[in-house]
Amino acid sequence: DTEVTQTPKHLVMGMTNKKSLKCEQHMGHRAMYWYKQKAKKPPELMFVYSYEKLSINESVPSRFSPECPNSSLLNLHLHALQPEDSALYLCASSTSGTLLRTDTQYFGPGTRLTVL
Amino acid sequence: SQQGEEDPQALSIQEGENATMNCSYKTSINNLQWYRQNSGRGLVHLILIRSNEREKHSGRLRVTLDTSKKSSSLLITASRAADTASYFCAAPNFGNEKLTFGTGTRLTIIP
Repeated sequence: DTEVTQTPKHLVMGMTNKKSLKCEQHMGHRAMYWYKQKAKKPPELMFVYSYEKLSINESVPSRFSPECPNSSLLNLHLHALQPEDSALYLCASSTSGTLLRTDTQYFGPGTRLTVL
Repeated sequence: SQQGEEDPQALSIQEGENATMNCSYKTSINNLQWYRQNSGRGLVHLILIRSNEREKHSGRLRVTLDTSKKSSSLLITASRAADTASYFCAAPNFGNEKLTFGTGTRLTIIP
């Protein structure tokens, strides 16, 4: 199984809502990532989990809260978002989380988030 | 930041022609990767070239790397309509797990 799955595919939420994005992989990868991508722009890294511990937070606002319940699952909890947070949110995983070992990343299809 | 700059930003060619896109980066790398993204979807890894390699092939893809010029190119030969997508180069930062993506090239293949 070389697939990263993400749910939901689409999400519309108001600025006062609380919602969660989910990501799952069963490749035994030990690093998982959240990216945000605006239209016609490259993905921007938000968070990295390595061996289930948060290793990188790219100064993301606290209204985004990541969680890694186990090595296969990654969540992104959303609360009090702003319209400018509307974007495609991508999850990815890689073997070891050590890019010096020339890991490649496997991406999920993304969640299209719209904040009203 | 090692973010790559890619050119052209957009490229339209006829089906069957070759497509070349370029990536320049700022600091030393130990590998450079190319990814494809179909509209509104996730990225798919295409090919990885190590810093000690100059050229690599995978099917219709040919990647070159010139570390002295800090540049890489991706050539897609005999293009097909299904190659229509955005293509990103990406390189890891030394010392951590961060993969930084270039600005991307939007490729359109005209049937």
